[in-house]
Amino acid sequence: EDQVTQSPEALRLQEGESSSLNCSYTVSGLRGLFWYRQDPGKGPEFLFTLYSAGEEKEKERLKATLTKKESFLHITAPKPEDSATYLCAVQAKGAGANSKLTFGKGITLSVRP
Amino acid sequence: GAGVSQSPSNKVTEKGKDVELRCDPISGHTALYWYRQRLGQGLEFLIYFQGNSAPDKSGLPSDRFSAERTGESVSTLTIQRTQQEDSAVYLCASSSVTTDYSYEQYFGPGTRLTVT
Repeated sequence: EDQVTQSPEALRLQEGESSSLNCSYTVSGLRGLFWYRQDPGKGPEFLFTLYSAGEEKEKERLKATLTKKESFLHITAPKPEDSATYLCAVQAKGAGANSKLTFGKGITLSVRP
Repeated sequence: GAGVSQSPSNKVTEKGKDVELRCDPISGHTALYWYRQRLGQGLEFLIYFQGNSAPDKSGLPSDRFSAERTGESVSTLTIQRTQQEDSAVYLCASSSVTTDYSYEQYFGPGTRLTVT
């Protein structure tokens, strides 16, 4: 069974204080690892897809990295508007190109001004 | 273009009543998914439609849950004889294979279901 564990559950940062969010996973062959951002009362917003170990992707203050067992979402010099819940999900190979995602519980990030 | 839309945004129902939730995917997206998000829990897969293939119903928690999709457009999720444990946000997503073979799913805003 595919599993995704995210840590810590919650993270409070001061504006400008860089940090990393962790996503550990086990999957029977990884097709892709996905990061989403979710604001209160809204649906998840797609951020990144990573396909193979060693891959990195960046968007503004966010950088996602991938190893064979985990992914990190690095946040550089965060701003209050980065406050949200960050979700990690995996998609397994062998079930079709558009198969289901298995999600972690998410990490709630609060950035204080 | 327009994103995934869901209706209603909120639904309050009494225990034992049936409810129907609607999802309009992004135009041209061949795959459509339903997930459930209970308080403090991760998103939980319910069902997946891909074109004209038989749907993957492996995530439906009981036979009270069912879903239909008309072609590659609208989908409805029906919950019969609702129970309090069905209270959750129900999220719909759609996806399509892109030229770089990425399969990201795009989510709607969700329907918050409260069973009293």
